[in-house]
Amino acid sequence: RKEVEQDPGPFNVPEGATVAFNCTYSNSASQSFFWYRQDCRKEPKLLMSVYSSGNEDGRFTAQLNRASQYISLLIRDSKLSDSATYLCAVMSAGGYQKVTFGTGTKLQVIP
Amino acid sequence: GAVVSQHPSRVICKSGTSVKIECRSLDFQATTMFWYRQFPKKSLMLMATSNEGSKATYEQGVEKDKFLINHASLTLSTLTVTSAHPEDSSFYICSARDRDRASNYGYTFGSGTRLTVV
Repeated sequence: RKEVEQDPGPFNVPEGATVAFNCTYSNSASQSFFWYRQDCRKEPKLLMSVYSSGNEDGRFTAQLNRASQYISLLIRDSKLSDSATYLCAVMSAGGYQKVTFGTGTKLQVIP
Repeated sequence: GAVVSQHPSRVICKSGTSVKIECRSLDFQATTMFWYRQFPKKSLMLMATSNEGSKATYEQGVEKDKFLINHASLTLSTLTVTSAHPEDSSFYICSARDRDRASNYGYTFGSGTRLTVV
């Protein structure tokens, strides 16, 4: 089983739609969780950290479910500029706290 | 905010030559930096963890003699691809975390280096 798994998509949604991505992780001892956004041929950029209590930043809401070992990202009122690949990332506990990424989910927002 | 500078952004080299990629944290200190590679339409694959003042920790299947990592200071890590071959052509990217910030701040990435070996 992969350490971090995501549906690669693509998700093609119309402007204004709400879209949700899920990501599962295998190591129950994982410490921290993140969503990154990566545009084509660019470096990933941190979108938001993910907390058990859930966190929201404008149109974006992230959630962590430790019992089921998955994290989610909800995007409301999709904009054309949201088109990108969304990577979930899981940081291991202890040691060097390395971060493992999922394969990414591609989102295409259509006019 | 935390900024990581990576150079060069693009390099083309001949088979058999070596290429050095630099990763610098500009406004913070990083005890640990990470090196990833990414093939087209694929995920970021962790190659190694670079530790300031000590040997790098390589992931399984990554040849340490081929991908030399040096982390001489708290702001600089280098990756040298030795005796490069066409199959080494990829997007190499580093990341670092401010050692003075909590882990939930995540990692900042350099802009990446696109290596093409001809």
